[in-house]
Amino acid sequence: DTGVSQNPRHKITKRGQNVTFRCDPISEHNRLYWYRQTLGQGPEFLTYFQNEAQLEKSRLLSDRFSAERPKGSFSTLEIQRTEQGDSAMYLCASSYANNSPLHFGNGTRLTVT
Amino acid sequence: GQNIDQPTEMTATEGAIVQINCTYQTSGFNGLFWYQQHAGEAPTFLSYNVLDGLEEKGRFSSFLSRSKGYSYLLLKELQMKDSASYLCAVRIPLSGSARQLTFGSGTQLTVLP
Repeated sequence: DTGVSQNPRHKITKRGQNVTFRCDPISEHNRLYWYRQTLGQGPEFLTYFQNEAQLEKSRLLSDRFSAERPKGSFSTLEIQRTEQGDSAMYLCASSYANNSPLHFGNGTRLTVT
Repeated sequence: GQNIDQPTEMTATEGAIVQINCTYQTSGFNGLFWYQQHAGEAPTFLSYNVLDGLEEKGRFSSFLSRSKGYSYLLLKELQMKDSASYLCAVRIPLSGSARQLTFGSGTQLTVLP
């Protein structure tokens, strides 16, 4: 069990550029979540996959954000036309079942300049 | 909307006991989780309550009262390494079998020598 893996760990980009992050969940976990966290705040839910199906997406999420999990294993989160307000830590988490705790990766820290 | 409240900061002395409170008002309830997060690291799971009462796990205990929308995390025999942010999170049912973990803003605990 290598845990949830995210890359890159850090990303600096200029405003207006597109960025893509990757998450590899724990192998037997079929549920995958993306969260965003800013300094001094708790993680904020973005979206949820069960296997390859995206079952829930936050209403607060801009349409510049899109996530995929094409084969029900790894997932990608893309942000198009980045804005300075997108600067945050993007956390991925996975779980085995509805009643089991979420296991988080170490996150990707995005800085938009 | 979902509302989860916890104190922003707490300070305690090494060897002491500290209680971190959490109150919640959410559209549904399917369990309450406590996570620990050190600066720059992923949140790590500490405890889970779905029924009323106390769950004990070594130096950590968590209590839940669903009728009062209230939980607390109790940390005994505090150690310097317990200095971290403690996140209260409520699992909320979504459509179908989906569940969403909604977090409070976290309580930053500082343990002093």
